[in-house]
Amino acid sequence: KQEVTQIPAALSVPEGENLVLNCSFTDSAIYNLQWFRQDPGKGLTSLLLIQSSQREQTSGRLNASLDKSSGRSTLYIAASQPGDSATYLCAVQGGSEKLVFGKGTKLTVNP
Amino acid sequence: DGGITQSPKYLFRKEGQNVTLSCEQNLNHDAMYWYRQDPGQGLRLIYYSQIVNDFQKGDIAEGYSVSREKKESFPLTVTSAQKNPTAFYLCASRGQGRYSNQPQHFGDGTRLSIL
Repeated sequence: KQEVTQIPAALSVPEGENLVLNCSFTDSAIYNLQWFRQDPGKGLTSLLLIQSSQREQTSGRLNASLDKSSGRSTLYIAASQPGDSATYLCAVQGGSEKLVFGKGTKLTVNP
Repeated sequence: DGGITQSPKYLFRKEGQNVTLSCEQNLNHDAMYWYRQDPGQGLRLIYYSQIVNDFQKGDIAEGYSVSREKKESFPLTVTSAQKNPTAFYLCASRGQGRYSNQPQHFGDGTRLSIL
């Protein structure tokens, strides 16, 4: 059974800092890995999707990497801003329609 | 703008009552999903549908029911058999193809509480 773990559960940084969020999964037989952002009381916003054949994806200040063999992904946020404060969730898709989610990392960027 | 609309935003259920949460999308997506989110837990899949008139149980389907009569709509009914319905419910959709590598798009959720 696939399990997804996100460490740390919460992170607080000063504005302008570069930071890394971690995601690990137990079964490397995945089809893709996705990173989402969730603001309080809101739905999820898709940030990046990495296919199993890819090593990384970039969008603006965000860069996500995937090491399928070791069961790890990282989300790198450059030059963090207070507007980046949110909960970040990673999810993996295996051989079915199901996404398996981690519990998320709550990020606070302090001005 | 294309997107997913969930209604209502807040919903209260009395004991023994069934309630229905609405989810409508205008993205022309084939697949639709219902998730439940509880504090401190990840999202858990309740039901999903890949095409009209077909749906499958997810990990926590007991006490819930769905229908998919139209491509745009995927309502979720929380029945009286669901003893702990208080949660944040999220609807999502995804474009065509099981392995299309398209991300899921989410609505803004419905928060359900017991009176």
